[in-house]
Amino acid sequence: DTAVSQTPKYLVTQMGNDKSIKCEQNLGHDTMYWYKQDSKKFLKIMFSYNNKELIINETVPNRFSPKSPDKAHLNLHINSLELGDSAVYFCASSQQKGGAGETQYFGPGTRLLVL
Amino acid sequence: GQNIDQPTEMTATEGAIVQINCTYQTSGFNGLFWYQQHAGEAPTFLSYNVLDGLEEKGRFSSFLSRSKGYSYLLLKELQMKDSASYLCAVSLRGSSYKLIFGSGTRLLVRP
Repeated sequence: DTAVSQTPKYLVTQMGNDKSIKCEQNLGHDTMYWYKQDSKKFLKIMFSYNNKELIINETVPNRFSPKSPDKAHLNLHINSLELGDSAVYFCASSQQKGGAGETQYFGPGTRLLVL
Repeated sequence: GQNIDQPTEMTATEGAIVQINCTYQTSGFNGLFWYQQHAGEAPTFLSYNVLDGLEEKGRFSSFLSRSKGYSYLLLKELQMKDSASYLCAVSLRGSSYKLIFGSGTRLLVRP
């Protein structure tokens, strides 16, 4: 029944490692997003894909690489993890509606801690 | 640039009414969302305004004035479970469905 799911829920790793976070939505939505929420709870867009095409790419280090194998999945790979990458990462999806009234539905979040 | 301002924290009493304000300066405004986020959980959708005026949904109402760049979320008959962060987010026109979020308002409801 879960609409937007993410794995893993918690991720603790060492600096310099490479890790991936997976996201899947079963809502039939065309657009998916990755957000980062820092310790001050500020939620900021990182990437967005529409039907497997990258449409938003904010100022994010190129150590972060999203991959969308199909429109129901958007994964996030992070290379050479740094302390400052510690945050909660949320995946979200929305139905493309021509730009108005597009409610985004969020996954449960992945809590990343880099030691 | 884009800027969204909300109070950092608010406290209210169970059963009371509270109004959470949001002001924004953005280019290409295409609507304003309010989300609720309980500690350790995902944001969940509360309301959407694109035209001026008040949208009512049960105990929650949201107001928008585009000319003033101002919105508020009104919570009536407060319950303890309403203790959460409330995020104001602006949708930008022509930006591929990008939402710009404010930093959120932490609401504490006391007995």
